[in-house]
Amino acid sequence: EAGVAQSPRYKIIEKRQSVAFWCNPISGHATLYWYQQILGQGPKLLIQFQNNGVVDDSQLPKDRFSAERLKGVDSTLKIQPAKLEDSAVYLCASSLGVGVTETQYFGPGTRLLVL
Amino acid sequence: AQSVTQLGSHVSVSEGALVLLRCNYSSSVPPYLFWYVQYPNQGLQLLLKYTSAATLVKGINGFEAEFKKSETSFHLTKPSAHMSDAAEYFCAVSEGGGSYIPTFGRGTSLIVHP
Repeated sequence: EAGVAQSPRYKIIEKRQSVAFWCNPISGHATLYWYQQILGQGPKLLIQFQNNGVVDDSQLPKDRFSAERLKGVDSTLKIQPAKLEDSAVYLCASSLGVGVTETQYFGPGTRLLVL
Repeated sequence: AQSVTQLGSHVSVSEGALVLLRCNYSSSVPPYLFWYVQYPNQGLQLLLKYTSAATLVKGINGFEAEFKKSETSFHLTKPSAHMSDAAEYFCAVSEGGGSYIPTFGRGTSLIVHP
C-alpha cells in the first residue's frame, strides 16, 4: 500500500515570496491534515479536511496561509507572502475517518527554509 | 486547555538497557493520549494510543505506556533498547470532540549507545 506522498521534499525561498506544497493521501482516506513542525518543537495542526470540506482551520494563519482539497483527494497548502518564521517542516497526514481514535499516517514532509 | 510536557529533550541509554521516556499531560476532560516516533527525514509514525480502555497500552516495536490519572502521566517504556530505536519521540494529547486537535510535546531524542 502506498503511503502519503508529499512534494517537494525541500524548498528554499526568500521572504515575501509565495510557495505551495502538495499532498496525496493514502487511497480511500477521507480525512487529511496539514501540520507545521518548527525545529525543536512538536507538530502543530494547521487544518483538517474531511473529503473536500474543512473540519477545523482554527490554527491556520489565514492572512497568509491557504489550503484546498477540491476533489476530496489531493491537497495543496500555500503561503503568500512567506515570512522568516514560516521556516519549518510541513507534514501532511491522512486517516480513514475523522475522530480522535483514527490512526493518522504521515508523509515525509516538506522542509521549507525562508531566507 | 490541553498541554503536554516531555521531561528531557535528550535521553541516552545503552543497547539492551531499559528505555523510559516521560510525558505529563494537562487536560480539562478525560484525555486521549498518543506516542509517536519520528526517524530522521521521515514523518511521524504512531507507536500506541490510550483511548480510555485498558490503562496499560502495548504498541509496536515492543513499546508500552501506562496511563496514570493520579499522576497525569503517560510514560513510554521498552525493556531492552535496540540501536534501531534511536529517533525522536513525541507525546500528544487530545480532548476529543469532532475535529480532534492534538497538542504535541516538544519531543525527546532517544540516543542508543552500543
